[in-house]
Amino acid sequence: ETGVTQTPRHLVMGMTNKKSLKCEQHLGHNAMYWYKQSAKKPLELMFVYNFKEQTENNSVPSRFSPECPNSSHLFLHLHTLQPEDSALYLCASSQDGGTPSYEQYFGPGTRLTVT
Amino acid sequence: GQNIDQPTEMTATEGAIVQINCTYQTSGFNGLFWYQQHAGEAPTFLSYNVLDGLEEKGRFSSFLSRSKGYSYLLLKELQMKDSASYLCATMDSNYQLIWGAGTKLIIKP
Repeated sequence: ETGVTQTPRHLVMGMTNKKSLKCEQHLGHNAMYWYKQSAKKPLELMFVYNFKEQTENNSVPSRFSPECPNSSHLFLHLHTLQPEDSALYLCASSQDGGTPSYEQYFGPGTRLTVT
Repeated sequence: GQNIDQPTEMTATEGAIVQINCTYQTSGFNGLFWYQQHAGEAPTFLSYNVLDGLEEKGRFSSFLSRSKGYSYLLLKELQMKDSASYLCATMDSNYQLIWGAGTKLIIKP
């Protein structure tokens, strides 16, 4: 596998379920991100990890819980979600402090539907 | 506040040229990015501008004017595969990306 991978690609869950999204990057990057993408809205940054340390939490509800066990893996644990949480969840990685452009590489996303 | 504006949708003809504009107001500025996102796929990097002027990369060019808070993405010799959403994003003083809602570009034969 190359680049950034995400599993599952599609997920349907009830409001009382607990599930986890997984992201893995094979680029040797040191920063990883979770974004939420809703239709016709800008990408919303949720969490940022640099060298496994969380450096950003943009007022995300506690029903979303990130975990970064190492610089290659990132999880988003979900519990008691609401229907408005239905969206595309994108993971990205970058090499901060490396290239001047801090270009982010995205995974294909997990399409989440909360019923 | 931080704000990025770009048109919601544009239509162009195969073989033609199209310019997608982006205006921004952000706290601090560390460059502007353009990404392409095909339906159901991940955004992919197109360009990065941090200095004023035009950056050309094949059929795609990106322009930045920092004093005007303005950028555009120019696509030449349009192909059907260029049908996608084009996302404008600025990097703020904390090196985080602030995103526009994207411009859906429709290419007609």
